[in-house]
Amino acid sequence: GENVEQHPSTLSVQEGDSAVIKCTYSDSASNYFPWYKQELGKGPQLIIDIRSNVGEKKDQRIAVTLNKTAKHFSLHITETQPEDSAVYFCAASGGASKIIFGSGTRLSIRP
Amino acid sequence: NAGVTQTPKFRILKIGQSMTLQCTQDMNHNYMYWYRQDPGMGLKLIYYSVGAGITDKGEVPNGYNVSRSTTEDFPLRLELAAPSQTSVYFCASSYSSQGSFGNTIYFGEGSWLTVV
Repeated sequence: GENVEQHPSTLSVQEGDSAVIKCTYSDSASNYFPWYKQELGKGPQLIIDIRSNVGEKKDQRIAVTLNKTAKHFSLHITETQPEDSAVYFCAASGGASKIIFGSGTRLSIRP
Repeated sequence: NAGVTQTPKFRILKIGQSMTLQCTQDMNHNYMYWYRQDPGMGLKLIYYSVGAGITDKGEVPNGYNVSRSTTEDFPLRLELAAPSQTSVYFCASSYSSQGSFGNTIYFGEGSWLTVV
């Protein structure tokens, strides 16, 4: 089955700098890669997703890149702000199969 | 906007006790899920349902039971609680299959369960 590894587990960046979170997946049949943000005391919320026929997708300050050959995908947050502090989860799935989540990255933005 | 509502928010159980975590959604979603999240870990699927009357096991179903009598409700029952079931539980729902592109999974706010 699918296995998703996520790095780093914790990340601290200066406000205004960029943050990058990386994930690798094992199942070459996976074709859908969402990212979720979980704020303290809340459930995860979808922030961006990408399909395997696209290499990059951007939405304001966040972007996701996908390298199908290497089976890895990354989340990029530019011009980080205090409200970006949260736990971020990557995930992967193939067609109708269930989503497998990474173990999460705790992002802290230093003022 | 209610979305996915789960209760209780916090609960302490003694070993061997039983309880039910309630979950309801008002988005008319067919698919519903229960996840557990252990400290520093990702989300593990316990059970899921693709519609009323249909349930199936996820990655970590042992020690749990579910039912889906209506589209809206998907309760999770813990029988004979054990310390290993100490975790945060999330109920979630989606319109179609998890693996579908553009199919957002909506999560509840979580239930913190401690078994002592």
